This record gives sequence, C-alpha cells and structure tokens, in this order.
Amino acid sequence: EVQLVESGGGLVQPGGSLRLSCAVSGFTFSGHWMYWVRQAPGKGLMWVSRINKDGRSTNYADSVKGRFTISRDNAKNTLYLQMNSLRDEDTAVYHCTRDLHNGGMDVWGQGTTVTVSS
Amino acid sequence: QSVLTQPPSMSAAPGQTVTISCSGGSSNIGNNYVSWYQQLPGTAPKLLIYDNNQRPSGIPDRFSGSKSGTSATLGITGLQPGDEADYYCGTWDSRLSAGVFGGGTKLTVL
Repeated sequence: EVQLVESGGGLVQPGGSLRLSCAVSGFTFSGHWMYWVRQAPGKGLMWVSRINKDGRSTNYADSVKGRFTISRDNAKNTLYLQMNSLRDEDTAVYHCTRDLHNGGMDVWGQGTTVTVSS
Repeated sequence: QSVLTQPPSMSAAPGQTVTISCSGGSSNIGNNYVSWYQQLPGTAPKLLIYDNNQRPSGIPDRFSGSKSGTSATLGITGLQPGDEADYYCGTWDSRLSAGVFGGGTKLTVL
C-alpha cells in the first residue's frame, strides 16, 4: 500500500524550530519529486516547497524562503522539512505529497499539525 | 490573496452539472499544467485531474478538466451528495518559481 506518514509537528514558540519527517512506503521513493503543502485552520491549501528526485534541486514559497529547508534521504525513504524562525502564521497542518506528473500530487499524507504560539 | 482565482462558493442540485473556474496569468496557467483537487471535510486533498485534463486511475469520468489560455475549468456531471467538498486548482508559477493554488471553491449539493 502506498503510504505517506508525517511526524514531528507540535507546539513551538515564535522564533523556534521544528523538523518534520515524512516516512514513505509502498513505492519507489527515489523515483518521485516530493512536496510539502500546508493548510492553516479554516483556510485553503498553500504550496510550501518541492524537491527533485535526487535532492539536488529545491524550490520554496516566498513566505518560507530562507527559513525552511526541504531535504530527503532516499536510503531511508524519508522526506524532511526543517523549519526555523517560526512565526504565528506558520501554524497549519503540513502534508507531504508525491508528484504524479507535472505537479499533480497523487498521494497525500494525513498531515502533522504545527502550532506556533507563545 | 491567491495567485489563482476561484469562485469562493457554488451550489447545484443532485444530478446537475457544475463548472468551477480557475483564473490565472501567463506565468502560471498560461504556460504550465493545471491540476485539480477535492477535499472532503476533515480529510486530505485528493487528486482529481492532472496535466490539465487527465484523470488518475479510479477517478470517475464525471470529473473533467480543461484549459484555455490563462484559465482552467473543472467540470462535474451528475452531481451526487458525496461531491459536496472544497475544490482547489493548482499549477506552477514560472515567475515565482513556486507552486500555487487557488483559494478554493466550496461546492454545496443542495
């Protein structure tokens, strides 16, 4: 069964850091671009970041650029999102997703909740 | 404010057909592929359409996608109560070098 399972979310103070993980199973992880997408409470989807198959190419939304770092370990079938200098507006459910083709995200994890609050 | 513009809400009766629009510009929809997602309450989004008009396996042909210029459309025929959900369009924005989503359309099946 194809599965993405996120972990690492929690409550953190503004300015703090968290590292999210996404454990992948059921498919060849190294064969797919991967993404992080977030959804603030009661709000729409927001694209956060993407990484190519070998981890050498990454992109970020302007609002997280310089603060977040996406990475992957193909040997461990795991995707990561290092989040630094967290702000209140980063509060959201963070989903990892798999690229099917040209940005179409065909597999989604259930998400991990990040709450930034003092 | 989202880069891609969708109507915030739409409603229709069971059995009817609806079309949800997604408007953008030359840096996003105009030169990149569009995908569409359905999000039922309390669940993760589900891919309905990719590459403008392709359905992943398991998605019924009641769902269709099209693109013309800087706009895209999701069509749903034979509306069912289970189609009541939020729908999002998404694409790449070449100017931003980032992905973008529309603000979402809440579809109510009356």
